[in-house]
Amino acid sequence: DTGVSQDPRHKITKRGQNVTFRCDPISEHNRLYWYRQTLGQGPEFLTYFQNEAQLEKSRLLSDRFSAERPKGSFSTLEIQRTEQGDSAMYLCASSRDPREFFHTEAFFGQGTRLTVV
Amino acid sequence: GNSVTQMEGPVTLSEEAFLTINCTYTATGYPSLFWYVQYPGEGLQLLLKATKADDKGSNKGFEATYRKETTSFHLEKGSVQVSDSAVYFCALSWNTGNQFYFGTGTSLTVIP
Repeated sequence: DTGVSQDPRHKITKRGQNVTFRCDPISEHNRLYWYRQTLGQGPEFLTYFQNEAQLEKSRLLSDRFSAERPKGSFSTLEIQRTEQGDSAMYLCASSRDPREFFHTEAFFGQGTRLTVV
Repeated sequence: GNSVTQMEGPVTLSEEAFLTINCTYTATGYPSLFWYVQYPGEGLQLLLKATKADDKGSNKGFEATYRKETTSFHLEKGSVQVSDSAVYFCALSWNTGNQFYFGTGTSLTVIP
């Protein structure tokens, strides 16, 4: 399987606990994105990486959220001290560099559904 | 700023009916435009795209034409099937940009 993979697919956690999600992008893609999707809404941008560099973070990404892509390959998204409002689907996507490959599309993983109880 | 507006759903159609899902965008210049589809419990899959004015993207019987004059990218299919039941998202992006901007999605249910 050469698509974007995310782990775990589902996570249930108690309020106040920390959680970490992993994303493995398509191997030749140097762009990696994190999005959040709540019920009935479209994906909302959280952050993106160009190789290992995190180049932009949305204001949606509070201080409790941190993302890394240490070697420019897989990425992790950690949420500390989870709140019920963090319950959502967390989507990872990857793409080639649009500055080099014009009009390229993003390829999405199946997402991690987080439920905070 | 950049934004995408889709017609609100849900949309329910009988099999073999004609489908139109409206999408308009707000952006300066010429973004790339996309339609993504999301089946229950799955991530988003690219359905089709168009990269410049008057381009028509097509896939699996779906079509959308990039209309610069009306800033629209409406999705159409001549004869829907039950298997087309899903949520459809319109999106735009820029070559120099940092993200893809998505609409809120339109849920389609096709009944036999």
